[in-house]
Amino acid sequence: DAGVIQSPRHEVTEMGQEVTLRCKPISGHNSLFWYRQTMMRGLELLIYFNNNVPIDDSGMPEDRFSAKMPNASFSTLKIQPSEPRDSAVYFCASSLSGGSDTQYFGPGTRLTVL
Amino acid sequence: AQTVTQSQPEMSVQEAETVTLSCTYDTSESDYYLFWYKQPPSRQMILVIRQEAYKQQNATENRFSVNFQKAAKSFSLKISDSQLGDAAMYFCAYRSPYGGATNKLIFGTGTLLAVQP
Repeated sequence: DAGVIQSPRHEVTEMGQEVTLRCKPISGHNSLFWYRQTMMRGLELLIYFNNNVPIDDSGMPEDRFSAKMPNASFSTLKIQPSEPRDSAVYFCASSLSGGSDTQYFGPGTRLTVL
Repeated sequence: AQTVTQSQPEMSVQEAETVTLSCTYDTSESDYYLFWYKQPPSRQMILVIRQEAYKQQNATENRFSVNFQKAAKSFSLKISDSQLGDAAMYFCAYRSPYGGATNKLIFGTGTLLAVQP
């Protein structure tokens, strides 16, 4: 089975530009998570969807960040406008359900904002 | 709020030897899940092992095993017969079992493991 798919793997953009990160969860998984990894803050949850509905977005840093899950097989994380402090690795993860199931991670997108 | 602490920023082990990575956590919940994830230079987060708090038996996966001490809130990872491919950053993580807004993984700061040939 294919794992979690993320695109792009690398993104370099200039400050002020819009950035869209994409994620395809594992087929059949109904929970999806966006995490961000930085040197300063480590790994932290940005937002969590269950059955395409956002359940917890308390980790979204500010209004410049938005996430959508229009269907069970696709999610986007958008940053508009981007800032240098948004530079990080963004991971998408999915699990079978919101309860006890293990979260499986995608390969991550390394975002660099100049 | 739950916290996870990894007190060893870096560790080193000789190939074929055994190494133990430490993790402690703080929680008021009686039931929860604990995980070890491996992040090699490719940065892919790979699940190594998982432990349910209600299970007294320590989880094992081939060369990887844990020492779960619930009363001490300790969850160490033992890697036996270390291989060069084990070199990576290892993260300990906690997760509440109740779903909903508590469903996130809470990660420690990681331990960078080097394997010497």
